[in-house]
Amino acid sequence: KNQVEQSPQSLIILEGKNCTLQCNYTVSPFSNLRWYKQDTGRGPVSLTIMTFSENTKSNGRYTATLDADTKQSSLHITASQLSDSASYICVVSARSAGKSTFGDGTTLTVKP
Amino acid sequence: DGGITQSPKYLFRKEGQNVTLSCEQNLNHDAMYWYRQDPGQGLRLIYYSQIVNDFQKGDIAEGYSVSREKKESFPLTVTSAQKNPTAFYLCASTSSSTNEKLFFGSGTQLSVL
Repeated sequence: KNQVEQSPQSLIILEGKNCTLQCNYTVSPFSNLRWYKQDTGRGPVSLTIMTFSENTKSNGRYTATLDADTKQSSLHITASQLSDSASYICVVSARSAGKSTFGDGTTLTVKP
Repeated sequence: DGGITQSPKYLFRKEGQNVTLSCEQNLNHDAMYWYRQDPGQGLRLIYYSQIVNDFQKGDIAEGYSVSREKKESFPLTVTSAQKNPTAFYLCASTSSSTNEKLFFGSGTQLSVL
């Protein structure tokens, strides 16, 4: 069964600090992995998308890594801002059409 | 502005009532999806459609129905058979069904009166 597990479930950090969110998956055969940011009461917005051959991808202060051998990904947020407070969702797709597997998300709270 | 629009933002359902959630996109995307999100849980797929006049059940289709008469529109009906409809509903679309980036609407919060 395809599964995506994210950790931690929630995280509180102070503004300006860095943090790393984890995503482990068992989706097979692997196609791509995406990180989304979801603000409360809004739809998710894509941050990064990574394919099998990519190890690292950055989008501003967000850097995603992928280890396809261990089936792990991380999202590193640098110099956090209050606006980074949101849920971060890891989504993994298999090489078959139609469906993706979603993690439960990590809720990040950045405090001043 | 291109995008995907959901309406209404908030919806209330009475016992035994069917309600329909609207989803419209002007991105010229072929594939559209409906997800349900409960607090603290991941998104669960209700229905998806890869082309007009065709759709497939997702993981939790019971108590829901959809139609895809136009490429731009993919409405979701929550029927009276859905006994626990209170949730946040998200519509999404992609340019094809080959696992490309999902574009999401802003969601509809459905509550039972």
